[in-house]
Amino acid sequence: AQSVTQLDSQVPVFEEAPVELRCNYSSSVSVYLFWYVQYPNQGLQLLLKYLSGSTLVKGINGFEAEFNKSQTSFHLRKPSVHISDTAEYFCAVSEWGAQKLVFGQGTRLTINP
Amino acid sequence: DGGITQSPKYLFRKEGQNVTLSCEQNLNHDAMYWYRQDPGQGLRLIYYSQIVNDFQKGDIAEGYSVSREKKESFPLTVTSAQKNPTAFYLCASRMGGWGNQPQHFGDGTRLSIL
Repeated sequence: AQSVTQLDSQVPVFEEAPVELRCNYSSSVSVYLFWYVQYPNQGLQLLLKYLSGSTLVKGINGFEAEFNKSQTSFHLRKPSVHISDTAEYFCAVSEWGAQKLVFGQGTRLTINP
Repeated sequence: DGGITQSPKYLFRKEGQNVTLSCEQNLNHDAMYWYRQDPGQGLRLIYYSQIVNDFQKGDIAEGYSVSREKKESFPLTVTSAQKNPTAFYLCASRMGGWGNQPQHFGDGTRLSIL
């Protein structure tokens, strides 16, 4: 069965510093991978997705992620964060043909001025 | 603009009462989902529906019920059998496909016990 592990529950960083949010998944078949962002008291918004092709995926708000099949990882990165990036970030995986997404536990990103 | 509308934004339930959360989408999506979100636990799937008049249990269906009479609508009822209903509830929808379509989310309903 597929599963997703977000390795850090909280990540504090200073404004304009780079950040990496880590995500590992487990699956025995081909997968599709997604990163979502959730601002307080709101729903989830899609940041980016990996379906196939280039392993480096660019998303909205300057975020990017790299799919690494051998390490079963899909880490999210941003070279310089802003206060407005303060939010919770969720990694999710869907197997080929599956009707459901499986979410990680979330990583809370806190930006300090 | 197309999207998913959840109502109400805040809801209070009394002991022994059933309450219904509304979810409407105008994205013409085939599939709809209900999730429960508790602090530190991510999103847990309650029910999902791929097609009108059909739905499947998710991981935590006990104490909940749904219906899918129209493509646009997927209401969730939290019954009195759900002993710990306080949570943030999220509705999502997705175009049909083979797992490669992302889910789109509403802004959630926060349910509390009176």
